[in-house]
Amino acid sequence: GAVVSQHPSWVICKSGTSVKIECRSLDFQATTMFWYRQFPKQSLMLMATSNEGSKATYEQGVEKDKFLINHASLTLSTLTVTSAHPEDSSFYICSAAVSTGMKLFFGSGTQLSVL
Amino acid sequence: GDSVTQMEGPVTLSEEAFLTINCTYTATGYPSLFWYVQYPGEGLQLLLKATKADDKGSNKGFEATYRKETTSFHLEKGSVQVSDSAVYFCALRGQGGSEKLVFGKGTKLTVNP
Repeated sequence: GAVVSQHPSWVICKSGTSVKIECRSLDFQATTMFWYRQFPKQSLMLMATSNEGSKATYEQGVEKDKFLINHASLTLSTLTVTSAHPEDSSFYICSAAVSTGMKLFFGSGTQLSVL
Repeated sequence: GDSVTQMEGPVTLSEEAFLTINCTYTATGYPSLFWYVQYPGEGLQLLLKATKADDKGSNKGFEATYRKETTSFHLEKGSVQVSDSAVYFCALRGQGGSEKLVFGKGTKLTVNP
């Protein structure tokens, strides 16, 4: 099946620094990618939807200036957590939609810990 | 808004035991329902789905039936294996064809030999 590669798997950073997470579709073109966040013992929550070549659409309550999403190609989307703080520590997962139909493929997630 | 309530884990079973993971939902209209599985170190994978009431999704010995009257989509397997150890997520997609998924919190299953 289709593969979505997400890197890094885990990252520890100091408060105030920025962290970039990459999500790549390895063997298909993804016109739409989704970014989710999961806090401990909470549901996976959709943060934003990104379409190749256009601005991301953010869910209510997600700061677009803090969580920068770039979807410059059909195989790569990046999420940058700017000026990270301990409350941003979470598990971030990306998913990609195949251009035909709506089947979703997920990355393995990134555990972010902000000290 | 739409929501999914999923049985809290973790769940620990012995091999060949019967598995049920409860999932109920709140949504308007007729959502599509899904179970995803995440094996250690891997991304979420679609396990099974049902798109209308009374549909039964099945895959790898797992089953779930879309019950509109009880707004439920419980996951079952008659005899679990060690290889079924994973985190299971119940999810829904609202009526209208949007690609947006609403997830439950996930249930971690550990199967011991």
